[in-house]
Amino acid sequence: SQTIHQWPATLVQPVGSPLSLECTVEGTSNPNLYWYRQAAGRGLQLLFYSVGIGQISSEVPQNLSASRPQDRQFILSSKKLLLSDSGFYLCAWRGKGLAGGSGELFFGEGSRLTVL
Amino acid sequence: GQQVMQIPQYQHVQEGEDFTTYCNSSTTLSNIQWYKQRPGGHPVFLIQLVKSGEVKKQKRLTFQFGEAKKNSSLHITATQTTDVGTYFCASGAGGSYIPTFGRGTSLIVHP
Repeated sequence: SQTIHQWPATLVQPVGSPLSLECTVEGTSNPNLYWYRQAAGRGLQLLFYSVGIGQISSEVPQNLSASRPQDRQFILSSKKLLLSDSGFYLCAWRGKGLAGGSGELFFGEGSRLTVL
Repeated sequence: GQQVMQIPQYQHVQEGEDFTTYCNSSTTLSNIQWYKQRPGGHPVFLIQLVKSGEVKKQKRLTFQFGEAKKNSSLHITATQTTDVGTYFCASGAGGSYIPTFGRGTSLIVHP
């Protein structure tokens, strides 16, 4: 069965410090991968998505970046965090080739980031 | 992605009352998905609707997709405290599937 792992689960970082959140998927190959951010009490904002290794599309201009060095690994990074980067970061995957061209998203447990 | 608006943002109910959240779009949606996020948790897929006028049920939950495929609703009959959480609708299209989520409706059930 497929599983998705995300870490760290919680972190507190000072303004200006770097960030690296990691997400890995097991039990599937060539998935679509997504990074979402959820501010407190808010909806889900799509940050990045990837349809394959090295292929990253950004939805929102910001000081964050994403990389996909391996098929089932998706990394969210920042060189210098801002206060506004605080939030709940969710990684998700979706399989390809499903009937109708759409399918459910499977979310990781999330990483809660507080920037002080 | 296809834009979706979701209302209400919050809903307080007494346990046993019914609850409905609505998802609307100005454009025709190819599909609609519903997710539930428990407090402190991550969104979990509930169901997908694809056909015009489609109605699906999961125990006390009823999901509808409008005839014009521009709106959808989730209705919970006789809410329970276990129904507490935020319910999101989402829609997307295309081979790469770029899903767009509504802002969610947070359901608070008072015992």
